[in-house]
Amino acid sequence: AQSVTQLGSHVSVSEGALVLLRCNYSSSVPPYLFWYVQYPNQGLQLLLKYTTGATLVKGINGFEAEFKKSETSFHLTKPSAHMSDAAEYFCAVINTGGFKTIFGAGTRLFVKA
Amino acid sequence: DAGVIQSPRHEVTEMGQEVTLRCKPISGHNSLFWYRQTMMRGLELLIYFNNNVPIDDSGMPEDRFSAKMPNASFSTLKIQPSEPRDSAVYFCATHPGQGGNTEAFFGQGTRLTVV
Repeated sequence: AQSVTQLGSHVSVSEGALVLLRCNYSSSVPPYLFWYVQYPNQGLQLLLKYTTGATLVKGINGFEAEFKKSETSFHLTKPSAHMSDAAEYFCAVINTGGFKTIFGAGTRLFVKA
Repeated sequence: DAGVIQSPRHEVTEMGQEVTLRCKPISGHNSLFWYRQTMMRGLELLIYFNNNVPIDDSGMPEDRFSAKMPNASFSTLKIQPSEPRDSAVYFCATHPGQGGNTEAFFGQGTRLTVV
């Protein structure tokens, strides 16, 4: 069965600091991997995704993530945090050819001035 | 496309009343999901449909909850009778369906408050 584990339910960084949100997955077949962001009182929107090809994928707002098959990881990074990055971030997986999305528990990012 | 459309955006109701949440999926998307989000339990998958057929409703918390998808362009989630612990944000999400290497698209959610 597929699963997604996000390490740390809360992460706090200073403005301008590196953002690193961790995600590990388990899947019996090659997965499609996603990061979603949820701002207060809004729905989830896609930040970036990996399906095939280049393992380093870039998303909106300067975020990027790298698919590492050997580590079953898909960590999300941003070189310099901005106050507007404060939100909840969800890692998710879909089996190749499938359609059911499995979400992690989410990580709430706080950005300090 | 206008995206996934949910209505109402906010609903306040009294305990014991029936509540119906509505979702209009993106045209052409064959899979539809209902999620519930609370501070305590996070994002929970309640039920999902593929080609209008319920595939897995194991996440539906109780018999008070029911969902239908009478056609490809409309789904409802009903709670009858509602209880204060049902207060949450309910999201509808849709996906092109099996074989689609893309993400699920979410609506803006319905914030339900049961008093």
